[in-house]
Amino acid sequence: DGGITQSPKYLFRKEGQNVTLSCEQNLNHDAMYWYRQDPGQGLRLIYYSQIVNDFQKGDIAEGYSVSREKKESFPLTVTSAQKNPTAFYLCATKAGQGNQPQHFGDGTRLSIL
Amino acid sequence: GESVGLHLPTLSVQEGDNSIINCAYSNSASDYFIWYKQESGKGPQFIIDIRSNMDKRQGQRVTVLLNKTVKHLSLQIAATQPGDSAVYFCAEKIQGAQKLVFGQGTRLTINP
Repeated sequence: DGGITQSPKYLFRKEGQNVTLSCEQNLNHDAMYWYRQDPGQGLRLIYYSQIVNDFQKGDIAEGYSVSREKKESFPLTVTSAQKNPTAFYLCATKAGQGNQPQHFGDGTRLSIL
Repeated sequence: GESVGLHLPTLSVQEGDNSIINCAYSNSASDYFIWYKQESGKGPQFIIDIRSNMDKRQGQRVTVLLNKTVKHLSLQIAATQPGDSAVYFCAEKIQGAQKLVFGQGTRLTINP
């Protein structure tokens, strides 16, 4: 979606290395989300944030960390504790807390070297 | 609902025909449903949504039907075009929750 920028598009990680995926939005949306997508599967929620300086664990938070210091930004760090990090990572935003759709960026593909 | 599998369900239709993609959701307390389209290497794109107090909603060339009795959601695409080829996901939101639960997805292929 226009307005949600994920970078880089491709990222490679060495064993034991932490990497940070960027998600920036200019939609003025309150809520932001990180998902992981594995081949042939749906999306699984890693972390989400409904407001600045607050975030909650999703279904598969182990080995990941996030911060929400600014409304526009919700970076995801894949730590060395995540033993199977190879996946397609998607960031999404939502305008408010009601029943509204999430809108997605175009993802970052992370691979192990 | 959510299921785990290595092979996506697939649907092949002829260009110009109508497509129906089905989704069984898991929670009777879900109050909001969304259909997304995902092309290769891109993020999911919002198509249409429906609230649980509705049975049907129409968009441009798309219709979503909700059957709460059997917890079933369907997406109908009229007069399919080559650009409709993609993976389609349904997602549900449980009432009071702030997160979506995604289905496994269905790969739609349009044959010329």
